Amino acid sequence: EDKVVQSPLSLVVHEGDTVTLNCSYEVTNFRSLLWYKQEKKAPTFLFMLTSSGIEKKSGRLSSILDKKELFSILNITATQTGDSAIYLCAQVTGNQFYFGTGTSLTVIP
Amino acid sequence: DSGVTQTPKHLITATGQRVTLRCSPRSGDLSVYWYQQSLDQGLQFLIQYYNGEERAKGNILERFSAQQFPDLHSELNLSSLELGDSALYFCASSGLWEDYGYTFGSGTRLTVV
Repeated sequence: EDKVVQSPLSLVVHEGDTVTLNCSYEVTNFRSLLWYKQEKKAPTFLFMLTSSGIEKKSGRLSSILDKKELFSILNITATQTGDSAIYLCAQVTGNQFYFGTGTSLTVIP
Repeated sequence: DSGVTQTPKHLITATGQRVTLRCSPRSGDLSVYWYQQSLDQGLQFLIQYYNGEERAKGNILERFSAQQFPDLHSELNLSSLELGDSALYFCASSGLWEDYGYTFGSGTRLTVV
């Protein structure tokens, strides 16, 4: 059974749209939740979330964690074609990291 | 350049063979993690080493083994290779406080034919 479930699996939007990506996780030994962006090569780190309700922001990207409902969202506003990628979330549990299968975002001009 | 170096970038080998993937962590990072990414499985955590010692084990097959050397570089050994082992193998490294997230290398693409 998957510990980390991301939705939607795939998303196609027009430039300028706002998107919300979802990640649900399990509570067992939860330490933190990570978001990564993966283009053609290695995933690049976006955010680490440990506290509920505190929004992390970087430019047009923001993310928040809800530890009561066990999910996190990643928002991207005013999307650009360069945002096209697979977005991965990972739960850090004990000494292990569990990744979701990712959301594939395609931004078309 | 993320600072995490993986070699080789691509590897093609026959079934039944053995290969070694190499990873040099970012300068100062003590932890090295290995991941396997295939199309149908997503990113799967294999194993973590911290300062030369195994720290955590994920879904790593018995045919696979890893080690971290005194200079902190790590090697992932894959033996008795099967077609299903074809995947992208990532190495990542982090510092003492691993919870802040870590840095991935660019991966080694293994194709077993």
